[in-house]
Amino acid sequence: QKEVEQDPGPLSVPEGAIVSLNCTYSNSAFQYFMWYRQYSRKGPELLMYTYSSGNKEDGRFTAQVDKSSKYISLFIRDSQPSDSATYLCARPYNTDKLIFGTGTRLQVFP
Amino acid sequence: ETGVTQSPTHLIKTRGQQVTLRCSSQSGHNTVSWYQQALGQGPQFIFQYYREEENGRGNFPPRFSGLQFPNYSSELNVNALELDDSALYLCASSLASGNTDTQYFGPGTRLTVL
Repeated sequence: QKEVEQDPGPLSVPEGAIVSLNCTYSNSAFQYFMWYRQYSRKGPELLMYTYSSGNKEDGRFTAQVDKSSKYISLFIRDSQPSDSATYLCARPYNTDKLIFGTGTRLQVFP
Repeated sequence: ETGVTQSPTHLIKTRGQQVTLRCSSQSGHNTVSWYQQALGQGPQFIFQYYREEENGRGNFPPRFSGLQFPNYSSELNVNALELDDSALYLCASSLASGNTDTQYFGPGTRLTVL
């Protein structure tokens, strides 16, 4: 079993939709997670990080961790075509290295 | 402040050859990590360098090796290339070993092995 798993998509939504991107993780000891966004032909860029349970909001983006179900979610409100990218969840390993999920490709069409 | 840069952008090699990829870290960053991203997959950690010393390694064979220089730039060397080495190679720099939330990625080098 992979440590962090994502549905690869693609997920296709109309502009303005609320998008829900999800990851599951295997080890309940994990407490710190990140979401990266990767545009085509670019490196990943950090969107948000979150600790343990609860929500973290940043503009149109909300990250949520549910420890009981080992579920990580990223919600995008009022999605825009510019949000079309691959979204990667990740967790740190030994404080420095990152373990990534496979990524979910999102397409927002006008 | 300049970001992380990588060279070359693209590279085509044949099986058995050797390749060197280069990374310049963001100004002030002393830690460089290398990742391999196969098509349709997330990045896989190869190794990390902190102040010119290897600071951890992922599940990659010894033919993957690296260097970090006094100016904190870095090289990734791959010997005896195999077809499965075809991937996007990403370099990420951070302020110091331990600051997981400040890894800044470069655009990557796309390696094709024929």
